[in-house]
Amino acid sequence: GNSVTQMEGPVTLSEEAFLTINCTYTATGYPSLFWYVQYPGEGLQLLLKATKADDKGSNKGFEATYRKETTSFHLEKGSVQVSDSAVYFCALSDLPNDYKLSFGAGTTVTVRA
Amino acid sequence: DTGVSQDPRHKITKRGQNVTFRCDPISEHNRLYWYRQTLGQGPEFLTYFQNEAQLEKSRLLSDRFSAERPKGSFSTLEIQRTEQGDSAMYLCASSVGQGWDETQYFGPGTRLLVL
Repeated sequence: GNSVTQMEGPVTLSEEAFLTINCTYTATGYPSLFWYVQYPGEGLQLLLKATKADDKGSNKGFEATYRKETTSFHLEKGSVQVSDSAVYFCALSDLPNDYKLSFGAGTTVTVRA
Repeated sequence: DTGVSQDPRHKITKRGQNVTFRCDPISEHNRLYWYRQTLGQGPEFLTYFQNEAQLEKSRLLSDRFSAERPKGSFSTLEIQRTEQGDSAMYLCASSVGQGWDETQYFGPGTRLLVL
């Protein structure tokens, strides 16, 4: 079956530090990959996605590259801000055959001023 | 586009009671999903609808759980004879798309506490 493994948190950083959250996956097919973010008190929001190998998803300064050879989709941001404090979830779906999302456990990131 | 809405946002109930949650998807989204999220974990898939048809149910969805989507618009998730283990955040998502281009948009969730 499909599964996602994320770097365990919590992660605490200072403002302007570099952030990496590791994500690896197991899938029977050729999945689409996603990063969702959950800010305190809010619902899940799509941060970025990639649908094929070597695709790079990007949004709000975050980037992740779909690496089929290493089955990874690591999230990076070069300079974090306090407003990036949130829980980040890596997820996959085996589109177009299987629409449901399989999520990792989430990584809590706290950025201190 | 008002986004996915869920009602209620919070529900406290006693063990053994029935509860029902409602989800209103983004208009014209033909797929609707229910997930459950427990503390410190990622969401887990429960079930999904394409229009009014319920196409898949997870093994997590015991016989006490039932979901409907009459007329392919809003959806309800009912839990009968609630147990303390049902305490969780129940998330609804909707999507529209074809093939590889599919993005699920999530509602704010309904937090259930079973005493």
